[in-house]
Amino acid sequence: GAVVSQHPSWVICKSGTSVKIECRSLDFQATTMFWYRQFPKKSLMLMATSNEGSKATYEQGVEKDKFLINHASLTLSTLTVTSAHPEDSSFYICSAIGQGAETEAFFGQGTRLTVV
Amino acid sequence: DAKTTQPPSMDCAEGRAANLPCNHSTISGNEYVYWYRQIHSQGPQYIIHGLKNNETNEMASLIITEDRKSSTLILPHATLRDTAVYYCIVSRVEGKLIFGQGTELSVKP
Repeated sequence: GAVVSQHPSWVICKSGTSVKIECRSLDFQATTMFWYRQFPKKSLMLMATSNEGSKATYEQGVEKDKFLINHASLTLSTLTVTSAHPEDSSFYICSAIGQGAETEAFFGQGTRLTVV
Repeated sequence: DAKTTQPPSMDCAEGRAANLPCNHSTISGNEYVYWYRQIHSQGPQYIIHGLKNNETNEMASLIITEDRKSSTLILPHATLRDTAVYYCIVSRVEGKLIFGQGTELSVKP
């Protein structure tokens, strides 16, 4: 299957700082990327949808000023957690789909964020 | 997107077939059935998807009932590495997947 890579795999940051997570599609052009977060022993929760060159669409309850999403190219989307707090600690996962019908989404390996 | 209902957990003996059921009684005509799995602390892995017909690939088989209100994912010879949470998701073809709670499959020796 197609490869989606996230970086970093894990990060620890101090409260009040910002953290950027990258999501790259390595062998296909991703017209749309999605960002999820997951708490321990819980399912994935969709945060936002981003299309290349346009503003992200956020799910209800997700603060767009806190979770900045940029999808500047067909192979890269970034999620920036601004002014991070301990409650932002979570597992963040991206997925990407290419062009065409019946295209399944492929997921990155996830980023474990710990805010101390 | 239609909701799905899955049993929270299942056990399966190593080497035996694992049959994971999913109910999606409100599925609409243009929605596909997708199956993903997530091994602990990793991103979800695509398994298979289908619309009406049964599908098979190197990982699994997907059996969809004629009325499309339920489906079963079959892992023909489960191994310990198949222990994971399996998610059945119904979605239009646009990649936006809304995850339910899934089924935690434990494959035991």
